[in-house]
Amino acid sequence: QKEVEQNSGPLSVPEGAIASLNCTYSDRGSQSFFWYRQYSGKSPELIMSIYSNGDKEDGRFTAQLNKASQYVSLLIRDSQPSDSATYLCAVKAAGNKLTFGGGTRVLVKP
Amino acid sequence: SAVISQKPSRDICQRGTSLTIQCQVDSQVTMMFWYRQQPGQSLTLIATANQGSEATYESGFVIDKFPISRPNLTFSTLTVSNMSPEDSSIYLCSVERRDNEQFFGPGTRLTVL
Repeated sequence: QKEVEQNSGPLSVPEGAIASLNCTYSDRGSQSFFWYRQYSGKSPELIMSIYSNGDKEDGRFTAQLNKASQYVSLLIRDSQPSDSATYLCAVKAAGNKLTFGGGTRVLVKP
Repeated sequence: SAVISQKPSRDICQRGTSLTIQCQVDSQVTMMFWYRQQPGQSLTLIATANQGSEATYESGFVIDKFPISRPNLTFSTLTVSNMSPEDSSIYLCSVERRDNEQFFGPGTRLTVL
């Protein structure tokens, strides 16, 4: 059973719109949550981390965490074609091990 | 973020041979990890590279197939032994900073014929 779930997509978004990505996890002991962006042929790049319930904003990105619902999301405002990539949700429970979801592919269309 | 380099960036190997991948970080880090990303898949943790002791392997990965060295706090190697076409993947090292965030190297793209 997969521990971190994401919709594989593709999530097609018009340029300038908001892209909404969702991630659920099974381990209630999870403490740290991360979003990585991965362009085709490149390695994952950390774009957001969130540790407590609520929203965290960084530029056009907003991460939202709800530990009671075991749910973390990422919003990308004013989506640009350069945001087209696969977005990976990663969760850390006890210890230092990161568990990754399968990733959501986002396509931003001009 | 830490500057992480990997060598080689890519390689094409014959089945039955072994390849050693190097990971170098520009600063001392406690935690280093090795991941595999098979074509079209997400990342799977192979092992945690421990400085001064044996690596900690995840379920499904064994030391004989993926020996790991960690001689100091800035360097680690992963060897893929007795390769088969199923080992064709991208291999990534990552490091964790004191603030709990992990950063990835550029990866090594391995093709086994």
